[in-house]
Amino acid sequence: DIQMTQSPSSLSASVGDRVTITCRASQDIRNLLAWFQQKPGKAPKSLIYAVSNLQNGVPSKFKGSGSGTDFALTISSLQPEDFATYYCQQYDAFPYTFGQGTKLEIK
Amino acid sequence: EVQLVESGGTLVKPGRSLRLSCTASGFTFGDYPMTWFRQAPGKGLEWVGFIRSKPYGGTAEYAASVKGRFIISRDDSKSTVYLQMNSLKTEDTAVYYCTRTVVYEYSIDYWGQGTLVTVSS
Repeated sequence: DIQMTQSPSSLSASVGDRVTITCRASQDIRNLLAWFQQKPGKAPKSLIYAVSNLQNGVPSKFKGSGSGTDFALTISSLQPEDFATYYCQQYDAFPYTFGQGTKLEIK
Repeated sequence: EVQLVESGGTLVKPGRSLRLSCTASGFTFGDYPMTWFRQAPGKGLEWVGFIRSKPYGGTAEYAASVKGRFIISRDDSKSTVYLQMNSLKTEDTAVYYCTRTVVYEYSIDYWGQGTLVTVSS
């Protein structure tokens, strides 16, 4: 199975900050990498697919980057609604696997 | 508007069976693969399995943790995908999410609200 290693596991930031979350795959995943946002008690929301493509309705403050095995999610100008847990996921090969999540908290 | 509504989650004893349903609306269901995920209490997301659309064989893939116990099927006439869960274990306790999978590219774009399955004696 492809292992996805996400860091940090938690992150404290202030409104207005820019933050970056990283995700490393254990092998080349041909850029088949997605990011999801999940708020407490809610279903995940799809943010980004194929490394850097925004899902419909997702604001451009979310930016995905990377290639091969190393990827990142950058969120600019943090607003209160952005504080949530974020997951990366590879969909290059079954079983699809996730990073362990990054909990973004308000400082 | 795309909507996915799961149902069927409940409290069930170990060793028993349960079937979850996910009814879709707002798109041509038969054109899309569908994927199930789950999330145990306080844990991360886990891929459960995937079913191809009928034009691509309608076959399914499963996580090792559920293979041989869970079966994913679909009824395109009802715009519904099912997750038949047999020989349930306490570690199957989770919120189960149904998702729409993008044709060809296989990323996930829409999620249902989830349904809670609790396996306990």
